Amino acid sequence: AQRVTQPEKLLSVFKGAPVELKCNYSYSGSPELFWYVQYSRQRLQLLLRHISRESIKGFTADLNKGETSFHLKKPFAQEEDSAMYYCALGLGGGADGLTFGKGTHLIIQP
Amino acid sequence: DAGVTQSPTHLIKTRGQHVTLRCSPISGHKSVSWYQQVLGQGPQFIFQYYEKEERGRGNFPDRFSARQFPNYSSELNVNALLLGDSALYLCASSLTTYSGNTIYFGEGSWLTVV
Repeated sequence: AQRVTQPEKLLSVFKGAPVELKCNYSYSGSPELFWYVQYSRQRLQLLLRHISRESIKGFTADLNKGETSFHLKKPFAQEEDSAMYYCALGLGGGADGLTFGKGTHLIIQP
Repeated sequence: DAGVTQSPTHLIKTRGQHVTLRCSPISGHKSVSWYQQVLGQGPQFIFQYYEKEERGRGNFPDRFSARQFPNYSSELNVNALLLGDSALYLCASSLTTYSGNTIYFGEGSWLTVV
C-alpha cells in the first residue's frame, strides 16, 4: 500500500532563511505528488503539484523518483509562510483519493 | 463563488448513536470525496463519489456509508459511533475523479463522540 512520510512534525526557521520540508513516499507505480497547506483558521488548500512544475508563493518541489522524495523548498522564508504543510500522493486514476502525510508545522520566526 | 460548504460545523454525539454529515460541492463539480482527520494526523480518505456512484473507498468499516444526490451534494453517515470516530470530517470536491483536477476542501465538521 502507498505511504507518505513527513519526518518533521515541527520545523522552525528564521525569516529570510531557506526552508525545506521533507516528504518521502512509498509506491511502486507512478504517483502524482502534491503539497497542501493550511494557514491558521483557513481550509486546506492545494499549494503545488509535481506535474505542473510551477513555483507558488516562492515554493518549489521536485519529484525524485530515485529517492522517492518530493521535498518542498523555499530560498527565503517569510512570516506569512507559517502554516501546516501536508504532502499527499495520488494514484493517477483519482478514485482512490489522496494519501496524506501527517503534516509538518512550519513556524517562521521574525 | 461559494466554496465547498459543510454542515454542521460542530457536533457532539454519544457512543452508539448515528451521525449524518452534509456537504455541498462547488458549483459545477461532480466529484465529492470524504476524509477523516484525527488530531495530529493528516486527512485519511474515506469515500469518493462521482455522478452519484461510489468510485473509491478507503479502509474504513461498514459503519461508514455515504451517498451523492442528483444535485451532487453528499452525505456521510456513520452508525454505531465509537470514541475513536471523534475527528474532523472533511469534504472535498473536484470537477471529475481525475487526480489532475484540483481538489477543494471544505472547512470540515468537527465530531466529538462521548
